[in-house]
Amino acid sequence: GNSVTQMEGPVTLSEEAFLTINCTYTATGYPSLFWYVQYPGEGLQLLLKATKADDKGSNKGFEATYRKETTSFHLEKGSVQVSDSAVYFCALSRYTGNQFYFGTGTSLTVIP
Amino acid sequence: GAVVSQHPSWVICKSGTSVKIECRSLDFQATTMFWYRQFPKQSLMLMATSNEGSKATYEQGVEKDKFLINHASLTLSTLTVTSAHPEDSSFYICSARGLTDAKPMLLNEQYFGPGTRLTVT
Repeated sequence: GNSVTQMEGPVTLSEEAFLTINCTYTATGYPSLFWYVQYPGEGLQLLLKATKADDKGSNKGFEATYRKETTSFHLEKGSVQVSDSAVYFCALSRYTGNQFYFGTGTSLTVIP
Repeated sequence: GAVVSQHPSWVICKSGTSVKIECRSLDFQATTMFWYRQFPKQSLMLMATSNEGSKATYEQGVEKDKFLINHASLTLSTLTVTSAHPEDSSFYICSARGLTDAKPMLLNEQYFGPGTRLTVT
């Protein structure tokens, strides 16, 4: 089956610290992989995505590389800001279907 | 970008009553809408997929007579939780996909609403 496992939180970091949120997946075929972010009181927003192995998605200083050999899509940012405080969801989908499979979400708090 | 709204953002109802949640696409035509449910510290789980003008397709294990979905227009889908019970208390999130500039959105482009917190007492 298809599933996503991501690092449990909450995660608290100081401003300018390095961030890694781990995400691994199980899927049949060749899924697309996503990171979504949810700021307080708002909907999920697409942060970045990768559609095939070795692709790197990047946006707003965040990066994640689609690693087929380790079935991983870890989210990284070199220097977090207070404004990055949010809940981050790793997800996969397959082009042949509508369904998204989400991880449980990781809450990140960045303190000044 | 495309915006999806939900109403209400939170609702408390008594056991046995029904509650309706609205999901609207504000600046695009949503040909397909999705309803997800999220329990605390758990993943979002897809409940059903609805296409405008047709019956919703429910995921395995989701009671279609309990969770009524109507997608009557290209901008509105509703989820009605009938005869609600405390175990229905959850966070319900909708998402939508459709047309932008008259072109179909990519299959994996979905825009999410902010969610509705339902508490059944």
